[in-house]
Amino acid sequence: GAGVSQTPSNKVTEKGKYVELRCDPISGHTALYWYRQSLGQGPEFLIYFQGTGAADDSGLPNDRFFAVRPEGSVSTLKIQRTERGDSAVYLCASSFLSFGDTQYFGPGTRLTVL
Amino acid sequence: AQSVTQPDIHITVSEGASLELRCNYSYGATPYLFWYVQSPGQGLQLLLKYFSGDTLVQGIKGFEAEFKRSQSSFNLRKPSVHWSDAAEYFCAVGGSSNTGKLIFGQGTTLQVKP
Repeated sequence: GAGVSQTPSNKVTEKGKYVELRCDPISGHTALYWYRQSLGQGPEFLIYFQGTGAADDSGLPNDRFFAVRPEGSVSTLKIQRTERGDSAVYLCASSFLSFGDTQYFGPGTRLTVL
Repeated sequence: AQSVTQPDIHITVSEGASLELRCNYSYGATPYLFWYVQSPGQGLQLLLKYFSGDTLVQGIKGFEAEFKRSQSSFNLRKPSVHWSDAAEYFCAVGGSSNTGKLIFGQGTTLQVKP
């Protein structure tokens, strides 16, 4: 079956611009996660959705970052006034349940801020 | 606070040799522990996970891991490495009852010599 998909696969933007990154989870998965992976590091948690609501957004680095999941399926991560330090691979994962369930990861979106 | 340490940033082994990748965690309660593998251009793939019960866990691709509570460790092993095992390996810990977020280590890059 289809896995987690993310679009675009690559995004190059200029400092100060706004970007949106999209995640399509596995059908039927209620939990959705966003992580950020910088070069040479492990993924770092950003935000977790259970259904339509953000159940844990403790990993968002500041108020320039925002994510939505209006219908409990597709999610969009939004970054305002991008900075060069935002350059990273943004990973999305989904799971059927949340607590302890296996998270299936998408291929990621590589964001480069010039 | 939860944390994961993978002491070895880079490991090189010969094809056919045994492998052990180290993982130490810090967590107040009983953790859920995971090993993921990330190959170039591919998403994170779950190798195995530990929730409870038998402390020796079998995974895919011939990998196993042993949970040792007294040492706060969850080391990954494989008796005979194949060239296709060259990749980056991440240990992760989860377990909060409120969220399924994972805390990842910084990863270990495995190189396999012919």
